[in-house]
Amino acid sequence: KQEVTQIPAALSVPEGENLVLNCSFTDSAIYNLQWFRQDPGKGLTSLLLIQSSQREQTSGRLNASLDKSSGRSTLYIAASQPGDSATYLCAVLLMEYGNKLVFGAGTILRVKS
Amino acid sequence: ETGVTQSPTHLIKTRGQQVTLRCSSQSGHNTVSWYQQALGQGPQFIFQYYREEENGRGNFPPRFSGLQFPNYSSELNVNALELDDSALYLCASSRTQTRGAQETQYFGPGTRLLVL
Repeated sequence: KQEVTQIPAALSVPEGENLVLNCSFTDSAIYNLQWFRQDPGKGLTSLLLIQSSQREQTSGRLNASLDKSSGRSTLYIAASQPGDSATYLCAVLLMEYGNKLVFGAGTILRVKS
Repeated sequence: ETGVTQSPTHLIKTRGQQVTLRCSSQSGHNTVSWYQQALGQGPQFIFQYYREEENGRGNFPPRFSGLQFPNYSSELNVNALELDDSALYLCASSRTQTRGAQETQYFGPGTRLLVL
């Protein structure tokens, strides 16, 4: 059974700091890995998607890496801003009947101004 | 191109009642997945519909059921509501290719259900 773990559960940093969020998964048979952002009470916004054959993806100040063999991904946020405050969720898409996303519990990020 | 929409946005029910949540897929998408997100947790997969048939199910009891319509919109029905059913229900649409490979899932804003 695929399990996804995110560390830390919560993080508070001053504005301008670079930070790393961690995600680990137990089964490497994944189709892709995706990072999402969720604002309080809202739906999910996709930030970055890494196919299983890729090592990293970049979008603006965000960079996500994937090491499928070790079951790990990191989301790097450069020069953090108060507007980055949200919950960040990592999810893997399983290559099986149903093509379901398995999510971690998320990291709650607070960027202080 | 319109995004994924869900209705209603909020809903309050009492224990034992039944509820129907609705989802409209993004244009060009033929697959709908439903997820339940309890407070402080990540979303949990309920089931997926492709070509109007269930195409996978998570660890949810039969009182959670769904439908997909010819226009690819979808409904999630929950019977005999329990207090633990209180959660944010998220719908995601995607396009499944003819060989089964699935593209990115796009999420709607969710329906927040409170069961009293």
